[in-house]
Amino acid sequence: SAVISQKPSRDICQRGTSLTIQCQVDSQVTMMFWYRQQPGQSLTLIATANQGSEATYESGFVIDKFPISRPNLTFSTLTVSNMSPEDSSIYLCSVTRATDEQFFGPGTRLTVL
Amino acid sequence: AQSVTQLGSHVSVSEGALVLLRCNYSSSVPPYLFWYVQYPNQGLQLLLKYTTGATLVKGINGFEAEFKKSETSFHLTKPSAHMSDAAEYFCAVSDQGYQKVTFGTGTKLQVIP
Repeated sequence: SAVISQKPSRDICQRGTSLTIQCQVDSQVTMMFWYRQQPGQSLTLIATANQGSEATYESGFVIDKFPISRPNLTFSTLTVSNMSPEDSSIYLCSVTRATDEQFFGPGTRLTVL
Repeated sequence: AQSVTQLGSHVSVSEGALVLLRCNYSSSVPPYLFWYVQYPNQGLQLLLKYTTGATLVKGINGFEAEFKKSETSFHLTKPSAHMSDAAEYFCAVSDQGYQKVTFGTGTKLQVIP
């Protein structure tokens, strides 16, 4: 298994600002992912965080809005830029070693006013 | 392309009764299938998974699921519901092993005393 922490656990932000969410894993992992879970909905994959290179974004998500960094095998950040109320969601980090299932962090609950 | 359909966004059962949560999938290759549980204000926890081999898989907390290729189904069952089972359950599929997982819309399980 993997122990994953996310910071912050929750935040309330003003429209037009940006928030950076951190994901830290207790051991090296192959892949890290970022998901969004909008209120009452399922998880949607935002992007795969690639170590040392640009993230791979899913359809409907762009780097300017959701810049992602992954400087090493245990850490990644997701920034939600120029926020609007529609960005209010839970943002989840997940990891896998590619030989086992994805493990999820506890999530960051974001409210945009 | 892969997809998941969960029938019933809300399911209510009496304590001690059978739990049955339905999941049908679509995949162009032999899939990996997962059930995750999400308790209020928490991240996702893996209940069980099917990759290859035995089609009846047992998970944590007394849950099990059966992979039925002919029916493209992976329904989740538990013989006797407990109050602590009240949560949201997500079925998920991947045609790329443990990567690129697609989640269903979730089923909220209510257990009535």
